[in-house]
Amino acid sequence: QVQLQQWGAGLLKPSETLSLTCAVFGGSFSGYYWSWIRQPPGKGLEWIGEINRSGNTNYIPSLKSRVTISVDTSKNQFSLNLSSVTAADTAVYYCARRVHFHGYHFDYWGQGALVTVSS
Amino acid sequence: DIQLTQSPSSLAASVGDRVTITCRASQSTSIYLSWYQHKPGKAPKVLIYAASSLQSEVPSRFSGSGSGTDFTLTISSLQPEDFATYYCQQSHTSPYTFGQGTKLEIK
Repeated sequence: QVQLQQWGAGLLKPSETLSLTCAVFGGSFSGYYWSWIRQPPGKGLEWIGEINRSGNTNYIPSLKSRVTISVDTSKNQFSLNLSSVTAADTAVYYCARRVHFHGYHFDYWGQGALVTVSS
Repeated sequence: DIQLTQSPSSLAASVGDRVTITCRASQSTSIYLSWYQHKPGKAPKVLIYAASSLQSEVPSRFSGSGSGTDFTLTISSLQPEDFATYYCQQSHTSPYTFGQGTKLEIK
């Protein structure tokens, strides 16, 4: 059974850097894309970006200048860094696995982590 | 970016009702359209992928159809645990986008 477990700081001040990590348990780390998705309070879901085992990344253009997603294959973990945060980055952040065949959907998700940006 | 527009945005229905939610894409997504169920405090759960394929362990009362730009999610007989928010999502073209959501409430 695949499980994604995520953690990171939950309260940030404006201009700080958001850092979250997601560990993958069970299943293969290869052959998938590993994504970050967020949901601001009262709003819908927004895909932020993804990485594969080889380190190939893909980001949403609106955040590309502030986002870095990295991978540590030795630990089956991947991480999100979002720099210069503002209140608009307040959201529940999810990590998720994206299938890279037939559907290309997100089949496993982390539990979610609320990140609040406030002075 | 491919915009996904769901209708309705909210829906009140009763247990046992048949419910249909639609998702229209601003350009073709072929069959790379998925549906998710999202409950408060939980992670989204995939129900349907590749427009019409039922995810493992998802009840058969959920079904999906469509291709190109028009898609539907149907729940054949609503159960109490189905009251949630539903999202469509496309994986045809990056950035991968979600619809705005359809909140399904108890009538």
